[in-house]
Amino acid sequence: DGGITQSPKYLFRKEGQNVTLSCEQNLNHDAMYWYRQDPGQGLRLIYYSQIVNDFQKGDIAEGYSVSREKKESFPLTVTSAQKNPTAFYLCASTPSSVRGSPLHFGNGTRLTVT
Amino acid sequence: AQKVTQAQTEISVVEKEDVTLDCVYETRDTTYYLFWYKQPPSGELVFLIRRNSFDEQNEISGRYSWNFQKSTSSFNFTITASQVVDSAVYFCALSGGMDSNYQLIWGAGTKLIIKP
Repeated sequence: DGGITQSPKYLFRKEGQNVTLSCEQNLNHDAMYWYRQDPGQGLRLIYYSQIVNDFQKGDIAEGYSVSREKKESFPLTVTSAQKNPTAFYLCASTPSSVRGSPLHFGNGTRLTVT
Repeated sequence: AQKVTQAQTEISVVEKEDVTLDCVYETRDTTYYLFWYKQPPSGELVFLIRRNSFDEQNEISGRYSWNFQKSTSSFNFTITASQVVDSAVYFCALSGGMDSNYQLIWGAGTKLIIKP
């Protein structure tokens, strides 16, 4: 079955270390997104990519970086510059970036930085 | 500015009761989309429904129904005869502005607890 796979499900890191979250999709979708979710808050967009080798900053891109070398993959790196990295991270995709396309989500990665 | 408000932080009902989750939005766009997503304890958000601004017909899907009223800028979600499996966090979202999906505006979510 097609879907989005995020790994790992739980991730623990020491402060000051960079960490990369994996996101792979086999839906043949062009657009991919990274969201951050904090308790009691809605989702906030970190980065999005409409096409391979291109990506744009979202609302809270500071301290994060991404790459889109393959259509299927959109990894997110949480750098040591991110001041409050502990959160739940969700990857999503849509067939295209046209408004109105419902998002397909992965199961998320819960990152804890101590 | 665009905004989505889900004023109900948490709702708790007993199984088989009906429950309505409120969603109020603000936008100056004449063309926009509204969405509801469900987030069960597993964490994955599941798409439930999309409604565009030109279609005010209410929709029913099994025990789920949605009431879209442009006059009050609301897109409320009702679960009839609730079940324990309905327990989840429910998000309302708005897509407007430029022709791009990235401009989704999310509500803070309503945590729904269905007690057996």
